Amino acid sequence: EVQLVESGGGLVQPGGSLRLSCAASGFTFSTYDMHWVRQATGKGLEWVSTIGTAGDTYYPGSVKGRFTISRENAKNSLYLQMNSLRAGDTAVYYCARGGYDFDFWGQGTLVTVSS
Amino acid sequence: QSALTQPASVSGSPGQSITISCTGTSSDVGGYNYVSWYQQHPGKAPKLMIYDVSNRPSGVSIRFSGSKSGNTASLTISGLQAEDEADYYCTSYTSSSTWVFGGGTKLTVL
Repeated sequence: EVQLVESGGGLVQPGGSLRLSCAASGFTFSTYDMHWVRQATGKGLEWVSTIGTAGDTYYPGSVKGRFTISRENAKNSLYLQMNSLRAGDTAVYYCARGGYDFDFWGQGTLVTVSS
Repeated sequence: QSALTQPASVSGSPGQSITISCTGTSSDVGGYNYVSWYQQHPGKAPKLMIYDVSNRPSGVSIRFSGSKSGNTASLTISGLQAEDEADYYCTSYTSSSTWVFGGGTKLTVL
């Protein structure tokens, strides 16, 4: 059974940093692209970043230069390093498996940026 | 990259069919067959319902179907059931090697 479990969320002050993790199981992690998607409370889904199987990375302009996605295939783990956090980054962050789509999702971890 | 355009809400009675549209540009929806649709119930993670415009993952009801014409993709749900009441989101791969979501559509089953 495919499982994705996010962790690392919490309360952080504006300008601070946080590192999210996603533990994957039930599939061959190294053979899949992986994504981060976020959702502010009561709002829609927003794509945050993608890492390919070769380690190639992609970001939208809203987080480029502040967020870094990485993976550790030996540990079946996905990460999101978030720096220079802003109030607008407050959201539930989901990791998702997939290529051009997002076929399995974790349950998410809440990040709150507030003073 | 601007968000894809979806209606904020749609509704239908049990047994009826509804269609949710998702309008983008030639740089996303119109340029690639990489449109997917997600169902999200309150407090839950999204679930993939349609991928590559019109393909259903294993386990998704045949009542769900997808299509595309030009820059607009559509999700059709036939034989509406109470359990279909949820938020629905489309997404597309783009020419910038990024992904863009629609704003979401709230489906109400009357």
